[in-house]
Amino acid sequence: LAKTTQPISMDSYEGQEVNITCSHNNIATNDYITWYQQFPSQGPRFIIQGYKTKVTNEVASLFIPADRKSSTLSLPRVSLSDTAVYYCLVGDSGGGADGLTFGKGTHLIIQP
Amino acid sequence: EAGVAQSPRYKIIEKRQSVAFWCNPISGHATLYWYQQILGQGPKLLIQFQNNGVVDDSQLPKDRFSAERLKGVDSTLKIQPAKLEDSAVYLCASSVEGAGEGTDTQYFGPGTRLTVL
Repeated sequence: LAKTTQPISMDSYEGQEVNITCSHNNIATNDYITWYQQFPSQGPRFIIQGYKTKVTNEVASLFIPADRKSSTLSLPRVSLSDTAVYYCLVGDSGGGADGLTFGKGTHLIIQP
Repeated sequence: EAGVAQSPRYKIIEKRQSVAFWCNPISGHATLYWYQQILGQGPKLLIQFQNNGVVDDSQLPKDRFSAERLKGVDSTLKIQPAKLEDSAVYLCASSVEGAGEGTDTQYFGPGTRLTVL
């Protein structure tokens, strides 16, 4: 069972780049790393997924070192609306409870 | 494209009563998930369906919780009898099976907030 460790909370300011790191020392060969965002009173929303090196989409970038024991979600030029909880998940395509463990997430607070 | 629908949005019951939640996934999504999210914690998977078959229900308290997905579309989650510790938000999600490499992207509904008094 791959487990993840994230900081409980972070804060930053509008316009800054925010990097949230997730540790997953027991990641398996077939596991992918996925990040979700959750606003209050809403369900989580997919942000980005990757297996190795770097992945970028219109919202964020995901950096994964060669050993894959950690990953960093990078949010460029954050705004107040990026205040949310961010979850890192590690799992393979089989799904199930092993790969769908959300943990407590990182509470990101963006200030003006 | 319509998202995942859930009802009711809120429910208040007394302990030992029964309650049922309904979920309508995104059209064409074969996989459906039910999660329990207790205040201050991340979502916890209760059960995962693929079409109308169960993929994983290892974290479903089967003495009081049950779920079904008839015809592989809508799903209901039932609690009978409810306990105080069941107070939580119950989230439903759906995904397309094998849409690409890696794990399937889950699309979540707004959830049902259950309060057990």
